[in-house]
Formats: sequence, structure tokens, C-alpha cells
Amino acid sequence: ILNVEQSPQSLHVQEGDSTNFTCSFPSSNFYALHWYRWETAKSPEALFVMTLNGDEKKKGRISATLNTKEGYSYLYIKGSQPEDSATYLCAFFYTDKLIFGTGTRLQVFP
Amino acid sequence: GAGVSQSPSNKVTEKGKDVELRCDPISGHTALYWYRQSLGQGLEFLIYFQGNSAPDKSGLPSDRFSAERTGGSVSTLTIQRTQQEDSAVYLCASSLTRPATDTQYFGPGTRLTVL
Repeated sequence: ILNVEQSPQSLHVQEGDSTNFTCSFPSSNFYALHWYRWETAKSPEALFVMTLNGDEKKKGRISATLNTKEGYSYLYIKGSQPEDSATYLCAFFYTDKLIFGTGTRLQVFP
Repeated sequence: GAGVSQSPSNKVTEKGKDVELRCDPISGHTALYWYRQSLGQGLEFLIYFQGNSAPDKSGLPSDRFSAERTGGSVSTLTIQRTQQEDSAVYLCASSLTRPATDTQYFGPGTRLTVL
């Protein structure tokens, strides 16, 4: 069974704090890793698609790194804001489909 | 442009009834996926359509679940003889071509409650 693990399961931070979470995935047969943000009552929104070992992607205050040899990706949020509160999902591409982790639920308090 | 739309947004049904969930993908997207999220679980893959190819049904949890995609566009997910464990949010997504590196765009989901 293919396992995509995310940690921590949930996180509570103060506004202005920087934070990061981890996605672990199988290191063999890597093709792509996706990150999504899912706010309550909205559709999941794509953040990054990462394909190369050592990839670093950035979108505003959010960035992600990828290590395909050891099978992990980190998502960083610099200076968290209340609007960053959401569930952050990673998904591993495998045989034409995305296998999602259970997500990290981030709550940013003002 | 218009995003992925789904209907209905909420559906409450009685155990044993059939339900149909609809997805309108982004125009021009050849790939379409169905997922569901049950309470406390991650997003679970159900079925994948790519162009005119036979769909990948490997994620359908039982033969009560079926889906079709007409004219390479709109898709309908049908659940027959619904059970309480079918209660979940059902999400549809589409992407331009292959799922590996193309972003998947999600609809707002249908929340299904089976009483």
C-alpha cells in the first residue's frame, strides 16, 4: 500500500510566526509531488507541483522544498497570517493518479 | 474563466436510495477525477477519466459506485443503494492533460449525507 504521510496533523501558531510541515512519500518511482491548500467551505487550491530533486518553489510567503532521494518535502510559511489558516495537503503522483496525505490543519491566531 | 462546478452542493438521502452527483469540468480539460473525503480521512481517489480512454476505476470502493463522462465533458458519479458509510464530501477535479505535472482544479464538492 502506498503511504503518503503528513506531519504534524494539526498546528496552532500566532500571527507572525513562521512554520513548516512535512510530507513523506515513497522515494522509489518518483514522478511528481503536489501541494494544495484547502480552506474551509472552499475548493482545494493548487500551490505547487514539484518534479525535480532539490526543487524549491515559492509563492509569496509560502515556499516548498523537495528531496526525492529520501522521500520528503517541506512546506514553509513565513510570517503566518490568519488567512493562512487552512488544511495543507500533499499528493504523490502514482500510476496516473494523485495519492493524498491526510493533511496538516493550520490555525493562525491573531 | 469558469472553474469546475458540481451539483448539488448538498444532498441528504435515505439509506438504500440511489444518488447522482454531477461535475462540469473546465472547458478543454481532458482529464477528470473524482475523489471523496470521509470524516477524519484524507482525500481518497475514486475514478479517473482521460480523453476517450477507458477510465481508471481502481479507486471505486464497491460495485454500487459507477461513473460516466459524456462527450468528454460532464461527468456523473452514481451511487446505488446508498449506505451510511457513503456519507462524505465528493470532489471532482479536472486538469488540462496528464495528471503528473498538470495542476488539478477542484470543484466545491458535494456533501452527501446518508441517513
